[in-house]
Amino acid sequence: DIQMTQSPSSLSASVGDRVTITCRASQSISSYLNWYQQKPGKAPKVLIYAASSLQSGVPSRFSGRGSGTDFTLTISSLQPEDFATYYCQQSYSIPLTFGGGTKVEIK
Amino acid sequence: QLQLQESGPGLVKPSETLSLTCTVSGGSISSSSHYWGWIRQPPGKGLEWIGDIYYSGTTYYNPSLKSRVTISVDTSKNQFSLKVSSVTAADTAVYYCERRSTSGYNWFDPWGQGTLVTVCS
Repeated sequence: DIQMTQSPSSLSASVGDRVTITCRASQSISSYLNWYQQKPGKAPKVLIYAASSLQSGVPSRFSGRGSGTDFTLTISSLQPEDFATYYCQQSYSIPLTFGGGTKVEIK
Repeated sequence: QLQLQESGPGLVKPSETLSLTCTVSGGSISSSSHYWGWIRQPPGKGLEWIGDIYYSGTTYYNPSLKSRVTISVDTSKNQFSLKVSSVTAADTAVYYCERRSTSGYNWFDPWGQGTLVTVCS
């Protein structure tokens, strides 16, 4: 199985801050990497697919980069509605696996 | 707009079988471009992919659960189902149904709202 490791597991930030979350795969996954946002009591929703493609309807302040084993999700200017938990997920091979999540909290 | 809705018992006894159904509306489950599957999330924890199915019946399972999991599809009802046998407290989770593209780059979208299943005697 491909292990996905996210860091940090949590962070505190203020509205307007630039936030970066890292995801590392245990082996190369090319660009087969997706990012999801989950708010309490809700299902996750996809933000970024194929490492850097923005899902339709997702604000442009979200961006993704990386390939191989190292990936980042960046929020350029944190908004109140962005406080949530973020997960990376590899779609390179079965079983599909997720990172452990990064909880973004209000400072 | 495609929507998925989970249904099934919220409480299951240990050693019994958990059964859930996902009803698809706003689109056909017989799409040749998608898989239909399940993901679970124990309370306060992360996400675990359980498996998915193609409309023809081809299935893909997480090896960690494969011996206890069955996913089936009913194209006449536009539904697919999950069964997990011999459940324990570790199977307590919110269960989500989801759709995934068959293309090389694929992701889970949309998701159902999720249903909490508690394993307790």
